[in-house]
Amino acid sequence: KQEVTQIPAALSVPEGENLVLNCSFTDSAIYNLQWFRQDPGKGLTSLLLIQSSQREQTSGRLNASLDKSSGRSTLYIAASQPGDSATYLCAVPGSSNTGKLIFGQGTTLQVKP
Amino acid sequence: EPEVTQTPSHQVTQMGQEVILRCVPISNHLYFYWYRQILGQKVEFLVSFYNNEISEKSEIFDDQFSVERPDGSNFTLKIRSTKLEDSAMYFCASSARQGGAGELFFGEGSRLTVL
Repeated sequence: KQEVTQIPAALSVPEGENLVLNCSFTDSAIYNLQWFRQDPGKGLTSLLLIQSSQREQTSGRLNASLDKSSGRSTLYIAASQPGDSATYLCAVPGSSNTGKLIFGQGTTLQVKP
Repeated sequence: EPEVTQTPSHQVTQMGQEVILRCVPISNHLYFYWYRQILGQKVEFLVSFYNNEISEKSEIFDDQFSVERPDGSNFTLKIRSTKLEDSAMYFCASSARQGGAGELFFGEGSRLTVL
C-alpha cells in the first residue's frame, strides 16, 4: 500500500533563504509526482508535475526533483519570500491508474520578513 | 486561466440532512474527482469518475455518498444523511488525461459543517 511522508512537518525561515522540502513514498512504481501549495482554508494549487521519466522540473524559483528508485522527491525554493508561506503537499498516483492521488501530510512553511 | 469552481464555499447543515456539493470542472477535462480534508488531516481520495461511471472509490465513499454529472458542465457530490464526522473540506478536481498520467487541478473547496 502506497504511503507518502513529508518531512519536516513545519519549517520557519528568514526571508531570502533557500530551502528544501522532502517527500518520500513507499512504492516506487509511480507514473508521476505532483507538488501542491495550500493556503489556510483554501484549495490546492498545482505547482509542479514530474513525470516518472523526468528527474527535475522547474517553475520560476521552484525546482522539484524525483528519484524513483529511492522513493524520494524534493522541492527546492530559492530566495524565499513571505508570500511563499503556505502548506506544501506532495502526492503520487495510486496503483490503479484511475487518477487517485495519495497525499502526504504536508510541510507548513513560514517565511519571516 | 481555466479553473475548477465549487459551490457553496461553506455549508452548515444538521445531522441527518442531505447535502449536495457542486463543481464545474475545467471545460475540456474528462476525468473528475472528489477529495476531502478533515481539519488537520491529510487530503483523502473519495471517488474518481469518467464517462458517467465511477472508476474507483475509497472505503470512505459508502452508500451515503453518490456522484453525478447531471449535464455537460456540472459534477455533484451528494451526501444523503450527513453525520458529524462528514464535517470536512471537500475538494473537486479534474484532469485532461487518464489516471496517473494526468495533472489534477483542484477547486477552492466546499467547507461542510455538520451540527
